[in-house]
Amino acid sequence: DADVTQTPRNRITKTGKRIMLECSQTKGHDRMYWYRQDPGLGLRLIYYSFDVKDINKGEISDGYSVSRQAQAKFSLSLESAIPNQTALYFCATSDPRGSGNTIYFGEGSWLTVV
Amino acid sequence: QQQVKQSPQSLIVQKGGIPIINCAYENTAFDYFPWYQQFPGKGPALLIAIRPDVSEKKEGRFTISFNKSAKQFSLHIMDSQPGDSATYFCAASSGTYKYIFGTGTRLKVLA
Repeated sequence: DADVTQTPRNRITKTGKRIMLECSQTKGHDRMYWYRQDPGLGLRLIYYSFDVKDINKGEISDGYSVSRQAQAKFSLSLESAIPNQTALYFCATSDPRGSGNTIYFGEGSWLTVV
Repeated sequence: QQQVKQSPQSLIVQKGGIPIINCAYENTAFDYFPWYQQFPGKGPALLIAIRPDVSEKKEGRFTISFNKSAKQFSLHIMDSQPGDSATYFCAASSGTYKYIFGTGTRLKVLA
């Protein structure tokens, strides 16, 4: 089983709809992240959380919100989806106590907004 | 100052060739420089990383060269194989904060 699990893996939604992407991890890491991947733009940070009570905006947080329900769960919401939010979304975790603060990614959630 | 510039965007080499991917940064506070490898349908995974106190690090067929004065670092893949075909991302971070990723290089190794 994957250490960082994302659901759904694929979703098509209509413009204006609310959509939630969920992430759970079994690595026991305090830090969790949501990234967005677009061709030619690399990985851009949407939100990050260093513990359950800590939520921070990343580079591209407009149009997104997050909830850290527990150490192991971090969800990303698009309150009113728009077509330019069509992308591949990754949840990730890290443990600063480990060497180098390696980031561990989930397998991604493809979101298409039509 | 937060950008990490990666080139080329795509690269095609023959099996056994040595593809080189380059990254440049501006923020001298960065102190950790990893490379991530991503296969289609998968999330990126750490391949190799370097800190600025060394100029080179090798792990198997993968080597990072680091030039602190030029603020550049590069990934070399020795004896490349078709199984190395993937997208490669460089990144930089300061302390244990967050990463800044490059835009990615799509590598194809021809059999």
